Amino acid sequence: NAGVTQTPKFQVLKTGQSMTLQCAQDMNHEYMSWYRQDPGMGLRLIHYSVGAGITDQGEVPNGYNVSRSTTEDFPLRLLSAAPSQTSVYFCASRRQGAGNQPQHFGDGTRLSIL
Amino acid sequence: DAKTTQPNSMESNEEEPVHLPCNHSTISGTDYIHWYRQLPSQGPEYVIHGLTSNVNNRMASLAIAEDRKSSTLILHRATLRDAAVYYCILSSLRGSNYKLTFGKGTLLTVNP
Repeated sequence: NAGVTQTPKFQVLKTGQSMTLQCAQDMNHEYMSWYRQDPGMGLRLIHYSVGAGITDQGEVPNGYNVSRSTTEDFPLRLLSAAPSQTSVYFCASRRQGAGNQPQHFGDGTRLSIL
Repeated sequence: DAKTTQPNSMESNEEEPVHLPCNHSTISGTDYIHWYRQLPSQGPEYVIHGLTSNVNNRMASLAIAEDRKSSTLILHRATLRDAAVYYCILSSLRGSNYKLTFGKGTLLTVNP
């Protein structure tokens, strides 16, 4: 059981470039989300989805787009990378429903913007 | 949003119990208390959660104060593999969905 798989694990971009961070889960979870983690900080929610075709913004959505065409996949797109987007990005999934559902996290994508 | 307060760091010795405190004085009635931990270069890992009653699982125990304004994560016998950042998080209902709000967590050091 792979759980939540993120690719790539590392990426270096130049300012202004675009890229897509991939996230896939094999647990048939309805809820998926993207977080970013900056040094010494906790995780901040970027975007989330409660099912295929449904997405919404989190705390820090600017500069990022998401889509959810299948239950399994939830890619995060950086439209025009900026140095402020240098961070570690985590994807997570859980069952939809009450607040007692544990989240399963991927191992992260470490992104540097030069 | 209800927030949590944790010590920045704690130390423990191997094979001794560890009590990690968390204050959440503005918790609402629908908030669940979750604990996650994050090992170096890994994503957060679910540890335990609770609503009102104390909870036990294979990893840890969670003691929740009667007024729910604080909780304690208990690792019964710390091992070197328990060294991590521990996050106390409230799973709060916002709109129609529950969301987690992470703080900075407690860095636990386990001494051999």
